[in-house]
Amino acid sequence: AQTVTQSQPEMSVQEAETVTLSCTYDTSESNYYLFWYKQPPSRQMILVIRQEAYKQQNATENRFSVNFQKAAKSFSLKISDSQLGDTAMYFCAFLNSGGSNYKLTFGKGTLLTVNP
Amino acid sequence: DAGITQSPRHKVTETGTPVTLRCHQTENHRYMYWYRQDPGHGLRLIHYSYGVKDTDKGEVSDGYSVSRSKTEDFLLTLESATSSQTSVYFCASRVSGTDTQYFGPGTRLTVL
Repeated sequence: AQTVTQSQPEMSVQEAETVTLSCTYDTSESNYYLFWYKQPPSRQMILVIRQEAYKQQNATENRFSVNFQKAAKSFSLKISDSQLGDTAMYFCAFLNSGGSNYKLTFGKGTLLTVNP
Repeated sequence: DAGITQSPRHKVTETGTPVTLRCHQTENHRYMYWYRQDPGHGLRLIHYSYGVKDTDKGEVSDGYSVSRSKTEDFLLTLESATSSQTSVYFCASRVSGTDTQYFGPGTRLTVL
C-alpha cells in the first residue's frame, strides 16, 4: 500500500515571500501521478498542480511549482509571491495509475498561513 | 469543475439513526468516490464506484454502504450512525481515461 507523508503540520509565510511545502511518499510502483490540492476555509478541495511520474520536467502553474525527485520519492510544492488568498490547508496526494480505479491516497495536510 | 453537488451540506443526527448522503454530478463521469476527512488523517477513501451498480470498498468502509443506480448519483448510507462517523464527507468524480478527480463541496455530519 502507498503512504504519503507531509511532515509539516503547520507553516506560515509573509505576504510576497516564497514558501515550500514538503511531501514524501512510499510506493513500489513505477507509473503514478502526484497532486497537490488546496482546501481554503470554504472547505472546497481545489486542484493546484499535478505531476506525472514518467515526466522528469517539474510541473508549473503560475506561482505554483513542484520539485519532483523520483528517486528520493519527494514531491514538494513551492509557492512564490505568496498571497493572502493562499492561506489554506494543502494536501499532497498519490495515485497509482497501474490499476483501473485510480484511488487517491492523501497525506495528512499542511496548514499554511500567509501573514500580511 | 465537474458540476458536483452534495446534499445535505450539513446534518446533525443522533446515534443509531440511519443517514443517507447524496452526491450528484452532471458530467456523465463513470467513476465516483466517497471520502471522509478527519483532523490528523487527511482524506480517506470509504467506497468508490466504477459504473452503475458497480461499487467497491475503500480503506475505511466499515459501517458504510453505497449505491449507484444512475450514472449521476452516488449515495452513501450510514445504516446506524455512531459518534465515530462524525466527519466531513466529500464526494469526487473522474472521467474514464483521465487521472484527475474533482470534488464536491463536502457535507458536515455530526452524530450526537
